[in-house]
Amino acid sequence: QSVLTQPPSASGTPGQRVTISCSGSSSNIGTNYVYWYQQLPGTAPKLLIYRNNQRPSGVPDRFSGSKSGTSASLAISGLRSEDEADYYCAAWDDSLRGYYVFGTGTKVTVL
Amino acid sequence: QVQLQESGPGLVKPSQTLSLTCTVSGGSISSGSYYWSWIRQPAGKGLEWIGRMSTSGSTNYNPSLKSRITISVDTSKNQFSLKLSSVTAADTAVYYCARAIEGGGYCSGSSCFYYYYYMDVWGKGTTVTVSS
Repeated sequence: QSVLTQPPSASGTPGQRVTISCSGSSSNIGTNYVYWYQQLPGTAPKLLIYRNNQRPSGVPDRFSGSKSGTSASLAISGLRSEDEADYYCAAWDDSLRGYYVFGTGTKVTVL
Repeated sequence: QVQLQESGPGLVKPSQTLSLTCTVSGGSISSGSYYWSWIRQPAGKGLEWIGRMSTSGSTNYNPSLKSRITISVDTSKNQFSLKLSSVTAADTAVYYCARAIEGGGYCSGSSCFYYYYYMDVWGKGTTVTVSS
């Protein structure tokens, strides 16, 4: 049911840069901000990026977000073992009186 | 620091109504421009937004669940609740409550401010199984 599409997996060795894509449409990413959530194993999701590229207090600057047209991406530079988690993009969708949509999720593995 | 805690039955029979409550501590549910939201996640699957409600009574629901959802806020108890009717096994999931920040979506003079909405505080989640 997700309307935002992400690759199911991504991986890298410690210190590498990993990028995750998120593809949407004109009614969501094309019109509204993009958000990213990190979900460590067995825990609740945590806000990682808000309003396309802003980091909440406490989120390392190794995490960065960007948006172009109806797509967005999350980059993790200097990959660390503790970054192994599921990552979800999200956006408000203006169709059908408005609702929030999550991406399909990407599992990041640190090799 | 605001914290959220979900509570409710862990087992619900098919066709019955799932009822969960989220208790807000460390702050008033009435303060600020927040939306109180519910999200769920079936085991091994992705996140699904269920819906939201503001303390002024404004609501939005996931179109795929809209006919079965009721979200309410009780400011006197600093709680908000979710009711999902006519449940089936497909409703088995971890249910999260969350506080969401919302604003923008207007123009003032020559400046326009994009709408924003995102969850900044989450509960730990509660597992609900639908089974007879």
